[in-house]
Amino acid sequence: QITLKESGPTLVKPTQTLTLTCTFSGFSLSTSAVGVGWIRQPPGKALEWLALIYWDDDKRYSPSLKSRLTITKDTSKNQVVLTMTNMDPVDTATYYCAHVHGSDMDVWGKGTTVIVSS
Amino acid sequence: QSVLTQPPSVSAAPGQKVTISCSGSSSNIGNNYVAWYQQLPGTAPKLLIYESNKRPSGIPDRFSGSKSGTSATLGITGLQTGDEADYYCETWDSSLSAAVFGGGTQLTVL
Repeated sequence: QITLKESGPTLVKPTQTLTLTCTFSGFSLSTSAVGVGWIRQPPGKALEWLALIYWDDDKRYSPSLKSRLTITKDTSKNQVVLTMTNMDPVDTATYYCAHVHGSDMDVWGKGTTVIVSS
Repeated sequence: QSVLTQPPSVSAAPGQKVTISCSGSSSNIGNNYVAWYQQLPGTAPKLLIYESNKRPSGIPDRFSGSKSGTSATLGITGLQTGDEADYYCETWDSSLSAAVFGGGTQLTVL
């Protein structure tokens, strides 16, 4: 059974860097065609895809946020970390990580809420 | 403004059928598979359809997906009140080299 859980700070101040960790079980990030993606959803708004890292360390980023995002993996710890720099109140959202097989986000974590406020 | 265009809302009576459209372009839907997600209130999205028309294990056959050209459609038959949710289409955009979501469609079962 595949499970994922997001963790990180609930509250960050503007201009700070956000670090989120996705801890997963039930699969290995060293398996071909497997990846972990990050998606966010501001309150009352649509889903927004952020980034994706594959088993071979191939990384993809949202073009609009690429300059602020970094995604890394620790295969031995079964973790994927997403960092987002220069946080702004518009970045307030629920952040999800998801298991990716091929191109499909087939299992999602429950999400973690991040509020950006001074 | 989302890369993929969905109607903001649709509604239908219990037992009826509804379709939700998702319009894109040749750089996304036109040349890539489409996935559909269901997001019940207060919960994480759940994969409903992958590779445009396939259902994951456990998804009832009341849910179906299709794709034609640069558009995709989610169909739901035998509507139930428990189907009330937001539905999102998603695909890869080859020009952006990124995944893209539609703006979401809120389904109301009257």
